[in-house]
Amino acid sequence: AQSVTQPDIHITVSEGASLELRCNYSYGATPYLFWYVQSPGQGLQLLLKYFSGDTLVQGIKGFEAEFKRSQSSFNLRKPSVHWSDAAEYFCAVGARAAGNKLTFGGGTRVLVKP
Amino acid sequence: GAGVSQSPSNKVTEKGKDVELRCDPISGHTALYWYRQSLGQGLEFLIYFQGNSAPDKSGLPSDRFSAERTGGSVSTLTIQRTQQEDSAVYLCASSQTVDNTEAFFGQGTRLTVV
Repeated sequence: AQSVTQPDIHITVSEGASLELRCNYSYGATPYLFWYVQSPGQGLQLLLKYFSGDTLVQGIKGFEAEFKRSQSSFNLRKPSVHWSDAAEYFCAVGARAAGNKLTFGGGTRVLVKP
Repeated sequence: GAGVSQSPSNKVTEKGKDVELRCDPISGHTALYWYRQSLGQGLEFLIYFQGNSAPDKSGLPSDRFSAERTGGSVSTLTIQRTQQEDSAVYLCASSQTVDNTEAFFGQGTRLTVV
């Protein structure tokens, strides 16, 4: 069975500083990996996804993530955080063999200090 | 439609009553997914549809939960004899097919059982 771990429940970062959110997954085959963002009272918005190929993927809002098979990780980064990036971030793994249903991590809430 | 639409956006119900939650997927999307987001359990998969059939119902928590999809479009999630632990946000997502892994989420239905 697939699983996803986001070790950090909360992260506080200053506006303009860099951000890195950690994600570790467990899956027997090559996974499809995703990062979603959820602002308060909103649904989930896809930031980026990894299927295959280049292990560094670019997403929306200036985010990027790197797939490292050897570490079973898919960490999300942003070089310079804006106040509007305050939200909850979810890493997820999907598997084509399982109808592409998603298994989510517990989420990381990001607070941005002025 | 332009996006995944869920109704109602909020529902307060008395313990023991039945509720129906509705999801209108993006037009032409054949795959539809239901997830539940609660404080204690995070984001959990409930069920997915390919067309009108549900190959995977493994996430439904009990036999009080059921879902159907008609005409390959609208889906209804029904919870019978609601309990307080059913209180959560119920999220619906759709994708073009189960092979197209980008899922688009609705804003969710917040269910409160009192």
